[in-house]
Amino acid sequence: AQKITQTQPGMFVQEKEAVTLDCTYDTSDPSYGLFWYKQPSSGEMIFLIYQGSYDQQNATEGRYSLNFQKARKSANLVISASQLGDSAMYFCAMNPREDNYGQNFVFGPGTRLSVLP
Amino acid sequence: DTEVTQTPKHLVMGMTNKKSLKCEQHMGHRAMYWYKQKAKKPPELMFVYSYEKLSINESVPSRFSPECPNSSLLNLHLHALQPEDSALYLCASSHGLAGGTDTQYFGPGTRLTVL
Repeated sequence: AQKITQTQPGMFVQEKEAVTLDCTYDTSDPSYGLFWYKQPSSGEMIFLIYQGSYDQQNATEGRYSLNFQKARKSANLVISASQLGDSAMYFCAMNPREDNYGQNFVFGPGTRLSVLP
Repeated sequence: DTEVTQTPKHLVMGMTNKKSLKCEQHMGHRAMYWYKQKAKKPPELMFVYSYEKLSINESVPSRFSPECPNSSLLNLHLHALQPEDSALYLCASSHGLAGGTDTQYFGPGTRLTVL
């Protein structure tokens, strides 16, 4: 069965510093997508970044980048120059199957990031 | 525009009430989802509509009844809920693409309290 592991329940980072949030996954499917979402205390799940399993380059979106190591089955999120507004819960997720339409979207347990002034 | 809207933002209901949650998207997405999220937990999938047909029902109790009137709208009808159904209910939509590339975009959620 597909599974996502996020080993850091909580993380602290100083404002303006970079932080890495860990994500490892387990799947036997050859084609899959990996996603990171941010959920502030307001509740909305905000899509941050996507990495496809066949993508040669690591994905980047502004201050967010994804450190994708396929052989190690890891997809860590790097946030550069942290801001106070980055304080939130972060979920790693996987869309594992080649022939489905998102039914098996699997979420990790989440990491709560707190940015300190 | 990657906006999914949900109404109401907050809902308090008694166990004998009937209420509905509404979700709307205008991104031309053909898949829509309902999730339930308890505090400090990841979202749990409840229902998936693909091209306006119910394709997934994750063993959800019948007191939750989904409806997809058209490709832009998704409702969740609630009846005779229990206090343990209190949670954040999230709606999401996606293009409905194969190959693991299908990004889901979420609405702001409805915080439901059952008394």
